[in-house]
Amino acid sequence: AQSVTQLGSHVSVSEGALVLLRCNYSSSVPPYLFWYVQYPNQGLQLLLKYTTGATLVKGINGFEAEFKKSETSFHLTKPSAHMSDAAEYFCAVTWMDSSYKLIFGSGTRLLVRP
Amino acid sequence: NAGVTQTPKFRVLKTGQSMTLLCAQDMNHEYMYWYRQDPGMGLRLIHYSVGEGTTAKGEVPDGYNVSRLKKQNFLLGLESAAPSQTSVYFCASSLSGNEQFFGPGTRLTVL
Repeated sequence: AQSVTQLGSHVSVSEGALVLLRCNYSSSVPPYLFWYVQYPNQGLQLLLKYTTGATLVKGINGFEAEFKKSETSFHLTKPSAHMSDAAEYFCAVTWMDSSYKLIFGSGTRLLVRP
Repeated sequence: NAGVTQTPKFRVLKTGQSMTLLCAQDMNHEYMYWYRQDPGMGLRLIHYSVGEGTTAKGEVPDGYNVSRLKKQNFLLGLESAAPSQTSVYFCASSLSGNEQFFGPGTRLTVL
């Protein structure tokens, strides 16, 4: 069965520091992988996605993620955190022949210290 | 182009009452989904639809029913609300597997 694990329910970084949010997935078929961001009292917004092709994907707001099949990982990074990055981040997986149902990780709340 | 909209934004129910949540999308998407979000659990799929007139169960379907009579609308019904259904409900739509677009959510409290 497909699943997603996000290590760390809370991550705290200083403004200007590297952001690293971890995501590992379990899938018996080639996955499509996503990172979504949720600001307080709002819906989810797509940050970036991997479907096929280049394994390093760039998203909005300076975020990027690399699909590593051998490690079954899709970690999210940003070189320099900004106060406005404080939010909750969700990793999700889907695959063809599943009606594209998303399976979400439990989320990581990013705190940015001034 | 409004994207995905949800009605209502907030609702408080008493145990045993019923209600319907409405999701509408104006992007001509085939796929639509209902999720619930609970603290520490991410989003979990309740029901989904791959086209007008079709519905299917997701991960946590018990206590909910859905209908997709029109392509642009996806209704989620609670026939007899329970406190365990207190949650934030999100609707999403998708043209294909490339991206799901989410609505702003409905915060439901069942007393």
